[in-house]
Amino acid sequence: EADIYQTPRYLVIGTGKKITLECSQTMGHDKMYWYQQDPGMELHLIHYSYGVNSTEKGDLSSESTVSRIRTEHFPLTLESARPSHTSQYLCASSEGLGLEQETQYFGPGTRLLVL
Amino acid sequence: QQQVKQSPQSLIVQKGGISIINCAYENTAFDYFPWYQQFPGKGPALLIAIRPDVSEKKEGRFTISFNKSAKQFSLHIMDSQPGDSATYFCAASSLPGNQFYFGTGTSLTVIP
Repeated sequence: EADIYQTPRYLVIGTGKKITLECSQTMGHDKMYWYQQDPGMELHLIHYSYGVNSTEKGDLSSESTVSRIRTEHFPLTLESARPSHTSQYLCASSEGLGLEQETQYFGPGTRLLVL
Repeated sequence: QQQVKQSPQSLIVQKGGISIINCAYENTAFDYFPWYQQFPGKGPALLIAIRPDVSEKKEGRFTISFNKSAKQFSLHIMDSQPGDSATYFCAASSLPGNQFYFGTGTSLTVIP
Protein backbone atom coordinates (compact mmCIF):
# COMPACT_ATOMS: atom_id res chain seq x y z
CA GLU A 1 0.00 0.00 0.00
CA ALA A 2 1.49 3.31 -1.09
CA ASP A 3 1.72 6.16 1.38
CA ILE A 4 0.36 9.01 -0.66
CA TYR A 5 -2.49 11.11 0.61
CA GLN A 6 -4.84 13.61 -0.91
CA THR A 7 -7.19 16.03 0.78
CA PRO A 8 -9.95 16.83 0.49
CA ARG A 9 -11.44 13.70 -1.08
CA TYR A 10 -14.51 15.59 -2.26
CA LEU A 11 -15.01 19.30 -2.74
CA VAL A 12 -18.03 21.26 -3.92
CA ILE A 13 -17.31 24.92 -4.40
CA GLY A 14 -18.73 28.00 -6.10
CA THR A 15 -17.36 29.67 -9.19
CA GLY A 16 -14.59 32.17 -8.54
CA LYS A 17 -13.33 30.64 -5.32
CA LYS A 18 -9.67 29.90 -4.75
CA ILE A 19 -8.93 26.28 -3.86
CA THR A 20 -5.88 24.24 -2.99
CA LEU A 21 -5.78 20.48 -3.38
CA GLU A 22 -3.28 18.88 -1.04
CA CYS A 23 -1.00 15.95 -1.84
CA SER A 24 1.57 14.42 0.47
CA GLN A 25 3.74 11.33 0.28
CA THR A 26 5.89 9.78 2.96
CA MET A 27 8.05 7.63 0.68
CA GLY A 28 10.71 10.27 0.03
CA HIS A 29 10.04 10.14 -3.70
CA ASP A 30 11.64 12.84 -5.80
CA LYS A 31 9.08 12.77 -8.60
CA MET A 32 5.49 13.87 -8.14
CA TYR A 33 2.65 14.34 -10.61
CA TRP A 34 -0.85 15.74 -10.93
CA TYR A 35 -3.29 14.10 -13.33
CA GLN A 36 -6.79 15.05 -14.33
CA GLN A 37 -9.18 12.15 -14.80
CA ASP A 38 -12.58 12.39 -16.45
CA PRO A 39 -14.94 9.42 -17.04
CA GLY A 40 -14.06 7.48 -20.18
CA MET A 41 -10.96 9.57 -20.78
CA GLU A 42 -7.29 8.91 -20.32
CA LEU A 43 -5.43 10.32 -17.37
CA HIS A 44 -4.01 13.65 -18.45
CA LEU A 45 -0.80 14.92 -16.91
CA ILE A 46 -1.22 18.55 -15.89
CA HIS A 47 1.84 19.15 -13.70
CA TYR A 48 4.93 17.32 -12.55
CA SER A 49 7.96 17.88 -10.40
CA TYR A 50 11.31 16.13 -10.32
CA GLY A 51 12.31 17.56 -6.98
CA VAL A 52 12.18 20.51 -4.64
CA ASN A 53 11.77 23.83 -6.47
CA SER A 54 11.21 22.00 -9.76
CA THR A 55 7.80 22.20 -11.45
CA GLU A 56 6.74 21.71 -15.04
CA LYS A 57 3.48 21.78 -16.96
CA GLY A 58 2.21 18.59 -18.52
CA ASP A 59 0.65 18.07 -21.91
CA LEU A 60 -2.83 19.10 -20.84
CA SER A 61 -3.19 22.84 -20.52
CA SER A 62 -4.37 23.76 -17.06
CA GLU A 63 -5.12 27.01 -15.30
CA SER A 64 -3.88 25.53 -12.05
CA THR A 65 -0.49 26.12 -10.48
CA VAL A 66 1.69 23.92 -8.28
CA SER A 67 4.56 24.35 -5.87
CA ARG A 68 7.22 22.01 -4.49
CA ILE A 69 8.81 23.56 -1.44
CA ARG A 70 9.20 20.28 0.40
CA THR A 71 9.90 16.83 -1.04
CA GLU A 72 6.81 15.31 0.52
CA HIS A 73 4.31 18.01 -0.41
CA PHE A 74 2.95 18.97 -3.86
CA PRO A 75 -0.16 21.15 -3.60
CA LEU A 76 -2.22 22.23 -6.60
CA THR A 77 -3.99 25.60 -6.59
CA LEU A 78 -6.80 27.03 -8.66
CA GLU A 79 -6.95 30.80 -8.20
CA SER A 80 -10.49 31.12 -9.52
CA ALA A 81 -12.47 27.92 -9.91
CA ARG A 82 -14.83 27.50 -12.87
CA PRO A 83 -17.35 24.78 -13.79
CA SER A 84 -14.91 23.60 -16.49
CA HIS A 85 -12.53 22.62 -13.67
CA THR A 86 -14.98 19.99 -12.46
CA SER A 87 -13.06 16.72 -12.59
CA GLN A 88 -11.16 14.19 -10.54
CA TYR A 89 -7.58 15.14 -9.70
CA LEU A 90 -5.07 12.39 -9.00
CA CYS A 91 -1.69 12.91 -7.39
CA ALA A 92 1.12 10.39 -7.91
CA SER A 93 4.75 9.95 -7.01
CA SER A 94 7.65 7.79 -8.14
CA GLU A 95 11.21 7.23 -7.03
CA GLY A 96 12.45 7.70 -10.56
CA LEU A 97 15.88 6.12 -10.44
CA GLY A 98 15.47 3.22 -12.86
CA LEU A 99 13.03 0.78 -14.38
CA GLU A 100 11.50 -0.59 -11.18
CA GLN A 101 11.52 2.81 -9.57
CA GLU A 102 9.37 4.23 -12.34
CA THR A 103 6.30 2.73 -10.73
CA GLN A 104 3.89 5.55 -10.06
CA TYR A 105 1.99 5.39 -6.80
CA PHE A 106 -1.33 7.17 -6.88
CA GLY A 107 -3.32 8.83 -4.17
CA PRO A 108 -7.08 8.22 -3.86
CA GLY A 109 -7.95 11.38 -5.76
CA THR A 110 -9.91 14.55 -5.12
CA ARG A 111 -13.26 14.80 -6.80
CA LEU A 112 -13.97 18.48 -7.49
CA LEU A 113 -17.34 19.95 -8.42
CA VAL A 114 -17.50 23.64 -9.26
CA LEU A 115 -20.99 25.09 -9.35
CA GLN B 1 -3.56 13.46 -29.89
CA GLN B 2 -4.03 10.24 -28.01
CA GLN B 3 -0.70 8.47 -27.62
CA VAL B 4 -2.12 5.16 -26.40
CA LYS B 5 -5.39 3.75 -27.70
CA GLN B 6 -7.22 1.25 -25.50
CA SER B 7 -10.14 -1.05 -26.21
CA PRO B 8 -12.76 -2.07 -25.33
CA GLN B 9 -14.21 0.72 -23.21
CA SER B 10 -16.16 -1.81 -21.17
CA LEU B 11 -16.10 -5.55 -20.82
CA ILE B 12 -18.37 -8.06 -19.13
CA VAL B 13 -16.98 -11.52 -18.46
CA GLN B 14 -18.37 -14.56 -16.75
CA LYS B 15 -16.56 -15.78 -13.64
CA GLY B 16 -13.81 -18.17 -14.69
CA GLY B 17 -13.54 -16.68 -18.15
CA ILE B 18 -10.66 -14.84 -19.79
CA SER B 19 -10.67 -11.04 -19.90
CA ILE B 20 -8.66 -9.44 -22.69
CA ILE B 21 -7.91 -5.73 -22.98
CA ASN B 22 -5.93 -4.31 -25.86
CA CYS B 23 -3.74 -1.26 -26.32
CA ALA B 24 -1.93 0.20 -29.30
CA TYR B 25 0.67 2.93 -29.59
CA GLU B 26 2.50 4.82 -32.33
CA ASN B 27 5.60 6.23 -30.67
CA THR B 28 8.42 3.72 -31.20
CA ALA B 29 10.42 5.46 -28.47
CA PHE B 30 8.12 3.99 -25.83
CA ASP B 31 9.91 1.24 -23.96
CA TYR B 32 7.96 0.69 -20.77
CA PHE B 33 4.37 -0.50 -20.73
CA PRO B 34 2.58 -0.80 -17.38
CA TRP B 35 -0.99 -1.75 -16.62
CA TYR B 36 -2.83 -0.11 -13.76
CA GLN B 37 -5.91 -1.33 -11.91
CA GLN B 38 -8.33 1.14 -10.33
CA PHE B 39 -11.15 0.33 -7.95
CA PRO B 40 -13.96 2.85 -7.31
CA GLY B 41 -12.87 5.58 -4.93
CA LYS B 42 -9.21 4.60 -5.17
CA GLY B 43 -6.29 5.76 -7.24
CA PRO B 44 -4.80 3.49 -9.92
CA ALA B 45 -2.33 0.88 -8.69
CA LEU B 46 0.37 -0.83 -10.74
CA LEU B 47 -0.69 -4.33 -11.72
CA ILE B 48 2.02 -5.56 -14.08
CA ALA B 49 4.49 -4.01 -16.50
CA ILE B 50 6.60 -5.11 -19.46
CA ARG B 51 9.53 -3.89 -21.49
CA PRO B 52 9.73 -4.57 -25.25
CA ASP B 53 12.65 -6.97 -24.98
CA VAL B 54 10.22 -9.73 -24.00
CA SER B 55 6.99 -10.78 -25.72
CA GLU B 56 5.16 -11.96 -22.64
CA LYS B 57 5.16 -11.47 -18.91
CA LYS B 58 3.04 -13.41 -16.48
CA GLU B 59 2.24 -12.73 -12.84
CA GLY B 60 -0.30 -15.07 -11.37
CA ARG B 61 -3.51 -14.83 -13.38
CA PHE B 62 -2.35 -11.68 -15.18
CA THR B 63 -0.36 -11.82 -18.42
CA ILE B 64 0.90 -9.05 -20.69
CA SER B 65 1.41 -10.00 -24.32
CA PHE B 66 3.57 -7.62 -26.32
CA ASN B 67 3.86 -7.38 -30.11
CA LYS B 68 6.61 -4.92 -30.93
CA SER B 69 6.17 -5.04 -34.71
CA ALA B 70 2.46 -4.34 -34.46
CA LYS B 71 2.99 -1.80 -31.66
CA GLN B 72 0.33 -3.49 -29.59
CA PHE B 73 0.15 -4.95 -26.13
CA SER B 74 -2.63 -6.62 -24.24
CA LEU B 75 -3.63 -7.70 -20.76
CA HIS B 76 -5.08 -11.16 -20.25
CA ILE B 77 -6.80 -12.03 -17.00
CA MET B 78 -7.21 -15.77 -16.68
CA ASP B 79 -9.91 -17.34 -14.51
CA SER B 80 -11.51 -13.92 -14.02
CA GLN B 81 -13.07 -13.35 -10.61
CA PRO B 82 -15.70 -10.87 -9.37
CA GLY B 83 -12.94 -9.24 -7.32
CA ASP B 84 -11.20 -8.36 -10.59
CA SER B 85 -14.05 -5.98 -11.43
CA ALA B 86 -12.32 -2.62 -11.80
CA THR B 87 -11.12 -0.16 -14.39
CA TYR B 88 -7.87 -1.08 -16.12
CA PHE B 89 -5.55 1.44 -17.73
CA CYS B 90 -2.64 0.71 -20.01
CA ALA B 91 0.19 3.20 -20.21
CA ALA B 92 3.45 3.80 -22.02
CA SER B 93 6.55 5.85 -21.48
CA SER B 94 10.03 6.23 -22.84
CA LEU B 95 12.39 5.74 -19.93
CA PRO B 96 14.19 7.03 -18.09
CA GLY B 97 11.95 9.34 -16.18
CA ASN B 98 9.75 10.53 -19.01
CA GLN B 99 6.06 11.25 -19.08
CA PHE B 100 3.55 8.42 -18.91
CA TYR B 101 0.74 8.34 -21.45
CA PHE B 102 -2.40 6.50 -20.38
CA GLY B 103 -5.16 4.78 -22.32
CA THR B 104 -8.79 5.73 -21.77
CA GLY B 105 -9.45 2.80 -19.45
CA THR B 106 -11.55 -0.37 -19.64
CA SER B 107 -14.30 -1.00 -17.13
CA LEU B 108 -14.30 -4.72 -16.41
CA THR B 109 -17.24 -6.43 -14.77
CA VAL B 110 -16.94 -10.09 -13.84
CA ILE B 111 -20.33 -11.63 -13.16
CA PRO B 112 -20.65 -14.63 -10.82
